[in-house]
Amino acid sequence: KAGVTQTPRYLIKTRGQQVTLSCSPISGHRSVSWYQQTPGQGLQFLFEYFSETQRNKGNFPGRFSGRQFSNSRSEMNVSTLELGDSALYLCASRVVGSGHGTGQFFGPGTRLTVL
Amino acid sequence: GENVEQHPSTLSVQEGDSAVIKCTYSDSASNYFPWYKQELGKRPQLIIDIRSNVGEKKDQRIAVTLNKTAKHFSLHITETQPEDSAVYFCAASRISNFGNEKLTFGTGTRLTIIP
Repeated sequence: KAGVTQTPRYLIKTRGQQVTLSCSPISGHRSVSWYQQTPGQGLQFLFEYFSETQRNKGNFPGRFSGRQFSNSRSEMNVSTLELGDSALYLCASRVVGSGHGTGQFFGPGTRLTVL
Repeated sequence: GENVEQHPSTLSVQEGDSAVIKCTYSDSASNYFPWYKQELGKRPQLIIDIRSNVGEKKDQRIAVTLNKTAKHFSLHITETQPEDSAVYFCAASRISNFGNEKLTFGTGTRLTIIP
């Protein structure tokens, strides 16, 4: 099976702009989660989607939003970019299991630089 | 919310020796504990996971132990090899009966294998 893919791989934006990142999960995986990775804060959970519904949300401001489509592909949007939003944004997909963990598989990430 | 602490932050071991990384978690309802390996410039890769109804799990040179009473879990790598050099992350999650999952990651351990 093809792995998780993310586009674009690199982005450079300026403060105040907005950005949309895309994630295509492994075939058959209905859940997509998004994470922000920075040297200072490590890996932080943003949100999880499955069945086109947000299921969990991390402690990020409302400028961070997402959605999921019927084919399980997901997008993440960041509005009014700030310098501190510079990070590697990772998405991860998994099979949805009832009551037990099934392992998340990460994409290569999108490196966002805000100038 | 869940808080995961990971120690040590850096670890150097001689090739062939064993390495142990320890994590503690705060939410006694957490029931799923994966470990990820991230090589420089690469995506995190799931290497082993354990559910709360199991005390130990082994996969070749890698093993994970879980002590639910003390709320800590550990990664053990035996017969270390140069390719084990990477950053290792532990994580904890409470999987709901609906399948929701929100991974909280530790801060990472940079493991260096000395040839």
